Amino acid sequence: QVQLQQWGAGVLRSSETLSLTCAVSGGPFNTYNWTWIRQAPGKGLEWIGEINPSGTTSSSPSLKSRVTMSVDTSKKQFSLKMTTMTGADTAVYYCARGSASGSYRGWFGPWGQGTLVTVSS
Amino acid sequence: QSVLTQPPSASGTPGQTVTISCSGSISNIGNNYVYWYQQFPATAPRLVIYRNTDRPSGVPDRFSASKSGTSASLAISGLRSEDEADYYCVTWDDSLSGFYVFGTGTKVTVL
Repeated sequence: QVQLQQWGAGVLRSSETLSLTCAVSGGPFNTYNWTWIRQAPGKGLEWIGEINPSGTTSSSPSLKSRVTMSVDTSKKQFSLKMTTMTGADTAVYYCARGSASGSYRGWFGPWGQGTLVTVSS
Repeated sequence: QSVLTQPPSASGTPGQTVTISCSGSISNIGNNYVYWYQQFPATAPRLVIYRNTDRPSGVPDRFSASKSGTSASLAISGLRSEDEADYYCVTWDDSLSGFYVFGTGTKVTVL
C-alpha cells in the first residue's frame, strides 16, 4: 500500500529555515496533489500548503511568504522549506497525499509519520 | 485567515448520539465539500467522512454527516469508547488564491 516517509531536522533555532522531505512508495505519484499540514502541541490542525507533480503550489495565506515547496517526480519525493522559524512554529509537521488531480479537494491520506520540529530561542 | 468553528468539546455515554457542528462561510463550506477527520493522541488523523456525507470503506456506519448552507455536522451514533478522539472538519476556501481551512477541533469524550 502507499506509504509516506518523511525526514528533516527536528530542532531549530529561531530565524533558521525548516527543511523537510517526504518520500512516497507503493503507489502512483503523478496523479495526486501532495500536502503539508502541521499541529502545534495541544492545538488543532493547520494546513501549510500543497504541490502537484507539475510543481504548481498553493499555500496558506498566513504562511505563504515563508513557504517554498518543491517536487522531484523521478524520486517520488516532495519537500517543504519554511524560513524565519520561531517558537510559534514548534509543531508536528505531517506530509500527506492530497486529492487526486482534478478531483474534489479535501481528501488527505495516507499520512507520513510526522516530524516534531522544536524551535528554540 | 478564516477558520471553521467547532465546539471545543462534546460528550456522551455509550450508546448515545453525539453531534459536532462546523460553522463556516459562503467562501468555504457554502461552496465546497466538507471532510471530517478523527485523530487519536500522537497519531496522524484518519478520514471518516468525505464529500459532506460519504464514509470511506472501513468507517462504521455509526458515523454520519450532513451539510446545510454554511454549516456542517458530524454525528456519531451508538457511541463507543473507541470513538473518544479529536474530530476536525476541513474544506477548501475559495477566497484569495484558495486554501484549505480546518475546523478548530472537537474533543469527544465517552463518559
